[in-house]
Amino acid sequence: GDSVTQMEGPVTLSEEAFLTINCTYTATGYPSLFWYVQYPGEGLQLLLKATKADDKGSNKGFEATYRKETTSFHLEKGSVQVSDSAVYFCALFYNPGNQFYFGTGTSLTVIP
Amino acid sequence: EAQVTQNPRYLITVTGKKLTVTCSQNMNHEYMSWYRQDPGLGLRQIYYSMNVEVTDKGDVPEGYKVSRKEKRNFPLILESPSPNQTSLYFCASKAGPNYGYTFGSGTRLTVV
Repeated sequence: GDSVTQMEGPVTLSEEAFLTINCTYTATGYPSLFWYVQYPGEGLQLLLKATKADDKGSNKGFEATYRKETTSFHLEKGSVQVSDSAVYFCALFYNPGNQFYFGTGTSLTVIP
Repeated sequence: EAQVTQNPRYLITVTGKKLTVTCSQNMNHEYMSWYRQDPGLGLRQIYYSMNVEVTDKGDVPEGYKVSRKEKRNFPLILESPSPNQTSLYFCASKAGPNYGYTFGSGTRLTVV
């Protein structure tokens, strides 16, 4: 069935380091892909999305490109800040199934 | 302000005592969904609704009920809560199939 696999954390980086959080998916068709961020004590917020192959989603310095050939949607940021410390979730939506699948989340801590 | 509102934020209850967690959205979204978040398991969908009077089971529906009598409201009902339903619950809504979900702030439920 449809599913999302993301790299396990926790991830700890120094401020201004480069961030990559890997996400791969399994789907029988062409899903829409999302990254969500959850700050401590809060709900999930949509960070970015891509709805078709080769689309690049971007927001707040974060980027992810929908790669059909590798079934991936890796999240990247060139220079992280302490305020980026949060849990990041990759997610997939495939219309015929009408379900939204989340990865298990990757915790990021950025230290000054 | 566009938002999804859940109540209560925190709830401690005893086994077997029926409870309802309310969810309301002010964005006129058609899709609404309930998730539970547990450590190491990520987010799992309990029920979802594609419109008024249209609901369907997600991945973990056992022990839960929902109703969608009005577009804006999607309450989650636990008829006879058990300790394994202790979790963090999120309500979410979205405008259509390829849109991302907007999440509420969460309800932390403890069943003793």
